[in-house]
Amino acid sequence: AQSVSQHNHHVILSEAASLELGCNYSYGGTVNLFWYVQYPGQHLQLLLKYFSGDPLVKGIKGFEAEFIKSKFSFNLRKPSVQWSDTAEYFCAVTPSASGTYKYIFGTGTRLKVLA
Amino acid sequence: GAGVSQSPSNKVTEKGKDVELRCDPISGHTALYWYRQSLGQGLEFLIYFQGNSAPDKSGLPSDRFSAERTGGSVSTLTIQRTQQEDSAVYLCASTESPSRGHEQYFGPGTRLTVT
Repeated sequence: AQSVSQHNHHVILSEAASLELGCNYSYGGTVNLFWYVQYPGQHLQLLLKYFSGDPLVKGIKGFEAEFIKSKFSFNLRKPSVQWSDTAEYFCAVTPSASGTYKYIFGTGTRLKVLA
Repeated sequence: GAGVSQSPSNKVTEKGKDVELRCDPISGHTALYWYRQSLGQGLEFLIYFQGNSAPDKSGLPSDRFSAERTGGSVSTLTIQRTQQEDSAVYLCASTESPSRGHEQYFGPGTRLTVT
């Protein structure tokens, strides 16, 4: 069965520290990949997405992610976090195969940034 | 413009009662998804609609769960004979079309508590 693994469940960082959140998926075919973020008290919203082309994707608020096909990974990075990045982050995948529109989400990573 | 709305925002019900959760997607969005978010479980896919039909209802946990969509717009998720393990936040999302890779827009969720 298709699945998405986020190995870091809770991450605590100080402001200005670098961030990398892991995401691995299990699916043998072509996929589309997403990172969503849920700030405290807010809706889930899209951070960035990968369809094809350049495997390094840039999103909002200085976030980026790199798709490494050989490793089935789509890790999220930010060089210098801010207190306002405190949120829960979800990785998601949807197969590119025609007729398959199901999105599979990981269990999420709770990030706390200390001021 | 208006985003995805869900009602009620909170629902407390007694075990064994039926509940109905409502989702109003963004106008013009043809695809609609229901998810369940439990602590530590991430987003669990429940069902997906394209128009009024549900090509994928594989995530519904049991036959106590059902959903419908009318007029290609509003959707209701019904849980019959609620159990304590049904307590969770139920999220609805819509996308412009069911084609791969479209961003999902999420509602605020309905927090269901079964006592």
